[in-house]
Amino acid sequence: NAGVMQNPRHLVRRRGQEARLRCSPMKGHSHVYWYRQLPEEGLKFMVYLQKENIIDESGMPKERFSAEFPKEGPSILRIQQVVRGDSAAYFCASSPWDRANTEAFFGQGTRLTVV
Amino acid sequence: AQSVTQLGSHVSVSEGALVLLRCNYSSSVPPYLFWYVQYPNQGLQLLLKYTSAATLVKGINGFEAEFKKSETSFHLTKPSAHMSDAAEYFCAVSVAGKLTFGKGITLSVRP
Repeated sequence: NAGVMQNPRHLVRRRGQEARLRCSPMKGHSHVYWYRQLPEEGLKFMVYLQKENIIDESGMPKERFSAEFPKEGPSILRIQQVVRGDSAAYFCASSPWDRANTEAFFGQGTRLTVV
Repeated sequence: AQSVTQLGSHVSVSEGALVLLRCNYSSSVPPYLFWYVQYPNQGLQLLLKYTSAATLVKGINGFEAEFKKSETSFHLTKPSAHMSDAAEYFCAVSVAGKLTFGKGITLSVRP
């Protein structure tokens, strides 16, 4: 059973470009979470999704950031018009529907660098 | 609202010595608590979790943690440190599926 798969592992974007980060949850998991890790700040919750639904987006910046988890395919975190401050490690986690509170498995992360 | 406090950002121990990493939490509901470990440029690996069963929880790699409601604490311990334990450790509380993390503690192990 493959773990949570994130790609790409490293992404370099110029200021103003778009960044698309992908996350394939573990098999059988229907809940996906995105977290951001900024230097010296630890991990911060961004968004919680189920298939075709956003459950909690309280940690998402109001502008330029969006997330989806379609019926088919991976979850996508999209950052439009990236700025230097978006440089961070972005982690995806997944859990089964009946153990959303007690099990979350993390991917290896995507390290975004904005130049 | 919930929060996690991990005092200090860096702990250094000698190989073979006791490891103690402190975690205090605040939660408006009965908490689920977790310890994760992160090696450089890697994702987070679950060490152990408390989900309202036994208050002393055993995890992987010889780590354990004790939930103390009266102290709102969930400290992580290991009797004897190994060089391979050098990493960053995060305590987290889960409410409604959302994890709130502490700032993390970097553990160094001296030969």
